[in-house]
Amino acid sequence: AQSVTQPDIHITVSEGASLELRCNYSYGATPYLFWYVQSPGQGLQLLLKYFSGDTLVQGIKGFEAEFKRSQSSFNLRKPSVHWSDAAEYFCAVGIQGAQKLVFGQGTRLTINP
Amino acid sequence: DVKVTQSSRYLVKRTGEKVFLECVQDMDHENMFWYRQDPGLGLRLIYFSYDVKMKEKGDIPEGYSVSREKKERFSLILESASTNQTSMYLCASSFGWTGHFGDGTRLSIL
Repeated sequence: AQSVTQPDIHITVSEGASLELRCNYSYGATPYLFWYVQSPGQGLQLLLKYFSGDTLVQGIKGFEAEFKRSQSSFNLRKPSVHWSDAAEYFCAVGIQGAQKLVFGQGTRLTINP
Repeated sequence: DVKVTQSSRYLVKRTGEKVFLECVQDMDHENMFWYRQDPGLGLRLIYFSYDVKMKEKGDIPEGYSVSREKKERFSLILESASTNQTSMYLCASSFGWTGHFGDGTRLSIL
């Protein structure tokens, strides 16, 4: 069955530090992969997506993610975080043919000043 | 700008009540979805719809039903609310894989 695992429930980083959020997936075919961000009290916003091609994907707000098939991973990175990046981040895999998403458990990011 | 609007941000209901959560999108999207969000569990799909009057069960449909009489509106119905349905409910619509989410309804069942 398709699944997504985000191993880190909560991460704290200092403002200006680099960030990496982990995501591992289980899916039989070539996956469609997504990262969403949820700011407090709001819905989810798409940061970036991977369908095929270049395995390093650029997104909005300075985020990028790298697809590694051998590790079944799609980790999200940012070189230098800002206080406004504090939010919850969700990784998801797209179920092809059904056009629906399976989400991970989410990682809550706290930024220290 | 695209918009998915959920009728209530906060809702408090009593056990056994029939509860309606409404979602409207203004993007003429074919696909609409209802998720519930619980801490440590992420988002779980309750129901989705590819077109008017069509519906498909998601991963956790028990205790819920849906209605899609018009393309822009997708309603989630709790037939007889129970305390374990206290949660955040998120509606989404999409064209292909480009999805847009509403701000959510935080539902409390007392």
